[in-house]
Amino acid sequence: EVQLVESGGGLVQPGGSLRLSCAASGFTFSSYWMHWVRQAPGKGLVWVARINSDGAIDRDGTTTRYADSVKGRFTISRDNAKNTLHLQMNSLRVEDTAVYYCVRDREWVLGDYWGQGTLVTVSS
Amino acid sequence: QSVLTQPPSASGTPGQRVTISCSGSSSIIGSNYVFWYQQLPGTAPKLLIYKNNQRPSGVPDRFSGSKSGTSASLAISGLRSEDEAVYYCATWGGSLGWVFGGGTKLTVL
Repeated sequence: EVQLVESGGGLVQPGGSLRLSCAASGFTFSSYWMHWVRQAPGKGLVWVARINSDGAIDRDGTTTRYADSVKGRFTISRDNAKNTLHLQMNSLRVEDTAVYYCVRDREWVLGDYWGQGTLVTVSS
Repeated sequence: QSVLTQPPSASGTPGQRVTISCSGSSSIIGSNYVFWYQQLPGTAPKLLIYKNNQRPSGVPDRFSGSKSGTSASLAISGLRSEDEAVYYCATWGGSLGWVFGGGTKLTVL
């Protein structure tokens, strides 16, 4: 059974940092592209970042993509040995407050599996 | 303001057929597959339709998707109370990454 379990959310002050993790199980983690998608309280879904599967490189030589709103502040990474996806979030802003979902991508099918989400609150 | 436009709300009575639209530009919806997600209250989204009209296993055939030009639609036939949820469309937006519609809240009257 495929499972995605996020952790690491919490309350942080503006300008602070937080690292989210997503523990994956039930599938060959290294073979799948993975994403983070967020949802501010009472709002819609917003894509945040993507990381390619092991060995997959985009035409521009990169393996990650980011939404403009988080570029330069957030870093997506993966540890295939530990079947874990990470999102390092720096220089956090109030508008980054949201539930962050870990999402699996099956050959350009976004979200065949979603985690339960972890809440990040940026407030002073 | 979302790149993909959905009506904020829709409604129907049990047994009815309802459709939810999703519109965008020719460079986005017109060139890429459309996906639909269902988000029940207090839960994570669930993939409902992928690649315009394909249903993942386990999704009832009451749910169907279609795309024509720069618009896509989700149709729900034989409406049930448990279909009350927020429905999102999404597609690959190229340099924008993945883009979602603003969501449509479906109320079963």
